[in-house]
Amino acid sequence: DGGITQSPKYLFRKEGQNVTLSCEQNLNHDAMYWYRQDPGQGLRLIYYSQIVNDFQKGDIAEGYSVSREKKESFPLTVTSAQKNPTAFYLCASRRGGGEGANTGELFFGEGSRLTVL
Amino acid sequence: AQSVTQLDSHVSVSEGTPVLLRCNYSSSYSPSLFWYVQHPNKGLQLLLKYTSAATLVKGINGFEAEFKKSETSFHLTKPSAHMSDAAEYFCVVILTGGFKTIFGAGTRLFVKA
Repeated sequence: DGGITQSPKYLFRKEGQNVTLSCEQNLNHDAMYWYRQDPGQGLRLIYYSQIVNDFQKGDIAEGYSVSREKKESFPLTVTSAQKNPTAFYLCASRRGGGEGANTGELFFGEGSRLTVL
Repeated sequence: AQSVTQLDSHVSVSEGTPVLLRCNYSSSYSPSLFWYVQHPNKGLQLLLKYTSAATLVKGINGFEAEFKKSETSFHLTKPSAHMSDAAEYFCVVILTGGFKTIFGAGTRLFVKA
């Protein structure tokens, strides 16, 4: 079955460490997204990518980095510059041209919960 | 400015009674509208979507929503709540051309036995 796989599901990090969250999709979707979810705040966009080797900052990109070397993969790195990284992170994908060109629904992974100790 | 407002942060119903989750949007353009459901520590699952066809949209698990342009609303309903409906629900708006995806803050639905 097609879908989006995020790993790890739970991750603990010490302050000052970088961590990378994996997101892989086999839906053949062009656009991929990373969202951060905090209680009572809905979802906030961190980064998105419409095509391979291209990505754009979202609303809260500071302290995060991404890459898009393959169509299927869009890993997110939470760097030590992110002051409050404890959150639930959701990866999503969409068929077509992404944020600027498509109105189709988003497909979500199961999420990764990051806790900073 | 474009926005999505879910009018209730929490809704509590008894099993077997109707569910109403309210969503209003503000947009200068004709939007695409969606409802998603999220169970604890899970991703978001699409319940239903409106994309300028019929204004009454039927989704999965007995949910439906009606697009009312005059009221800029897209409320989610279900005739009879089930315990398994307890979750968080998000109203989502995508503006014409896909220039922006806007999420509501979510409504947590509690279902009492």
